Amino acid sequence: SQQGEEDPQALSIQEGENATMNCSYKTSINNLQWYRQNSGRGLVHLILIRSNEREKHSGRLRVTLDTSKKSSSLLITASRAADTASYFCAPHLIQGAQKLVFGQGTRLTINP
Amino acid sequence: NAGVTQTPKFRVLKTGQSMTLLCAQDMNHEYMYWYRQDPGMGLRLIHYSVGEGTTAKGEVPDGYNVSRLKKQNFLLGLESAAPSQTSVYFCASIDRSSYNSPLHFGNGTRLTVT
Repeated sequence: SQQGEEDPQALSIQEGENATMNCSYKTSINNLQWYRQNSGRGLVHLILIRSNEREKHSGRLRVTLDTSKKSSSLLITASRAADTASYFCAPHLIQGAQKLVFGQGTRLTINP
Repeated sequence: NAGVTQTPKFRVLKTGQSMTLLCAQDMNHEYMYWYRQDPGMGLRLIHYSVGEGTTAKGEVPDGYNVSRLKKQNFLLGLESAAPSQTSVYFCASIDRSSYNSPLHFGNGTRLTVT
């Protein structure tokens, strides 16, 4: 499979806590992207990290990439109820780059 | 700039009926994709296109056909709908000129087959 695999499948935390979700992939990448999906809507692009980058920040989001382990993590700090959504990673593979496949995602629930 | 537009938003079909879902993008993107998403599941790739006049099979192509006659449009057809095709369908497009581009998604078409 060419997809990224997210872990855990589901995560439930209290508002204000940090949320961490992970992504693993199998082959070399150009970049890895994270998307959010609110219930019933299309995916929205959150952040892109290139293969030569190790860490990237965007607001309350922090993404790390370890190409030696073929893994990435997404950290959401100081979570809010509005962060409740499903999160997907999309490794943009060097081979077969045009066939973009998604995993099951991580379903994040922020409890008030 | 509308981005990716899907029509219709909702549709109910009876088993055996046919229909076409339309995806239109105004960003001059080369690559376009059709996904389906079942409740509580991730997205599964049905078909995709890397340019006008070209299409390719994804993970779950059976029961669907596609056409890309114009660069801005990607059509998904169901010739004989089955209850197993009840799902939410998402279209997406991406700019191939840079690998460091995000996918742009439409808001989905919710299809029910009875």
